[in-house]
Amino acid sequence: DAGVTQTPRHEVAEKGQTIILKCEPVSGHNDLFWYRQTKIQGLELLSYFRSKSLMEDGGAFKDRFKAEMLNSSFSTLKIQPTEPKDSAVYLCASSPGQNNNQAPLFGEGTRLSVL
Amino acid sequence: SQWGEENLQALSIQEGEDVTMNCSYKTYTTVVHWYRQDSGRGPALIILIRSNEREKRSGRLRATLDTSSQSSSLSITAAQCEDTAVYFCASGNYKYVFGAGTRLKVIA
Repeated sequence: DAGVTQTPRHEVAEKGQTIILKCEPVSGHNDLFWYRQTKIQGLELLSYFRSKSLMEDGGAFKDRFKAEMLNSSFSTLKIQPTEPKDSAVYLCASSPGQNNNQAPLFGEGTRLSVL
Repeated sequence: SQWGEENLQALSIQEGEDVTMNCSYKTYTTVVHWYRQDSGRGPALIILIRSNEREKRSGRLRATLDTSSQSSSLSITAAQCEDTAVYFCASGNYKYVFGAGTRLKVIA
C-alpha cells in the first residue's frame, strides 16, 4: 500500500530560481496538505486541498508560493522566485477527509536549500 | 508543554526512564493525534485519542486527553534509545495545527 510520495528528496536552488516540488497522495484520499517545516517555526500550513479544490492557501505564503492539484493523484508546490529564507523541509500529507479521526499521512519531505 | 507558537522543546533522559510530553490546544477538536519524526523522515502517526476517551494505550505509549483543559499528554514507559525522535501533537477537525514538538533524546 503506497504512502505519500514526494520528489525530489533534496533540492538546491540559487536565489531567484523557480522550483517545483511534487507530491503523490495516497490513492483515494480526498484531502491534501502542504506544510513547511523549520526548526524555529515548526510545521506551518502552506496549502490545503479538498477534492482538488484549494481550501486554504496559507495567507503569508501567497505571494511566492503556489500549490496546484490538477488531478486527484498529483500536486505541485511552486516557489517563484526562491529566497534563502525559503530553505526548509517541505512536507506533503494526505488524509481520507471523511472525518477528523483519519490522521494525515506524511511523505518523507523535500529538503530545499536556497543559496 | 508544546503548542504552535512555542519553540521546540528538548528533553534528555536515560534509557529505562519514563517520560511524559504535554500539549495544549486552542480550538475545539474531537481528536488529538500524536506523531513522531525521525531525523530526515516525515512525521509518522503513533497514537490518536478521541474526545470520548480519557486514555489510550499502545504498547509502551499512553496518551491522555482532557477536553476541559484542552490538553493532551503522551507518556513513554521504559524509554529506549530507539524512542529518540521529535514528538508532535496535532489537533483540528480538517485542517490540522501542529505543536512545536518535543525533541526527545534517550541515552544508553
